[in-house]
Amino acid sequence: GENVEQHPSTLSVQEGDSAVIKCTYSDSASNYFPWYKQELGKGSQLIIDIRSNVGEKKDQRIAVTLNKTAKHFSLHITETQPEDSAVYFCAASRSGGTSYGKLTFGQGTILTVHP
Amino acid sequence: GAVVSQHPSRVICKSGTSVKIECRSLDFQATTMFWYRQFPKQSLMLMATSNEGSKATYEQGVEKDKFLINHASLTLSTLTVTSAHPEDSSFYICSAGRTGGHEQYFGPGTRLTVT
Repeated sequence: GENVEQHPSTLSVQEGDSAVIKCTYSDSASNYFPWYKQELGKGSQLIIDIRSNVGEKKDQRIAVTLNKTAKHFSLHITETQPEDSAVYFCAASRSGGTSYGKLTFGQGTILTVHP
Repeated sequence: GAVVSQHPSRVICKSGTSVKIECRSLDFQATTMFWYRQFPKQSLMLMATSNEGSKATYEQGVEKDKFLINHASLTLSTLTVTSAHPEDSSFYICSAGRTGGHEQYFGPGTRLTVT
């Protein structure tokens, strides 16, 4: 099955700096890579996603890049703000077969943005 | 759009009792719903996948007789933890996916504490 590794486990930055979180996946058939933000005691919120037919996607201060050959994808947050502090999870899934839509999550990254 | 609710948000029950958690998609029809559990400082672990009108598919190691899942309509899935024990204490999160889509929309989670 799919295995997703996420690094770093914790990340501390100053307000205004950029933050980068990286994930690798093992299943070359995976074709959908979402990123979720989870605040303390709450469910996860989809913040951005990318499909395997593109290499980069950007939404305001958030961007995701995908390298299919190397099987890794990254989340980039620019101009970080204290409210960006949360746990971020990457995930991977593939369409087709019995595993359709099943997400495999990374271990999570605790991002702390200091004012 | 794509709002998913969960009820209750918190529940405390005594060992040996059963607890039912509801997951509702409020503004879309969810062909597939997923149930996850999350231990403190850990990632989301998929427990089971349920498709409307059919039996749920459980992940390896998840006891189907203990974690009963019902997905009777396109907007409601329930997870019943039967004969709960303290080790079942966890954060349970559901997500819902639209027909033909990859995206999963997460509920806010239910904190279960078994005393």
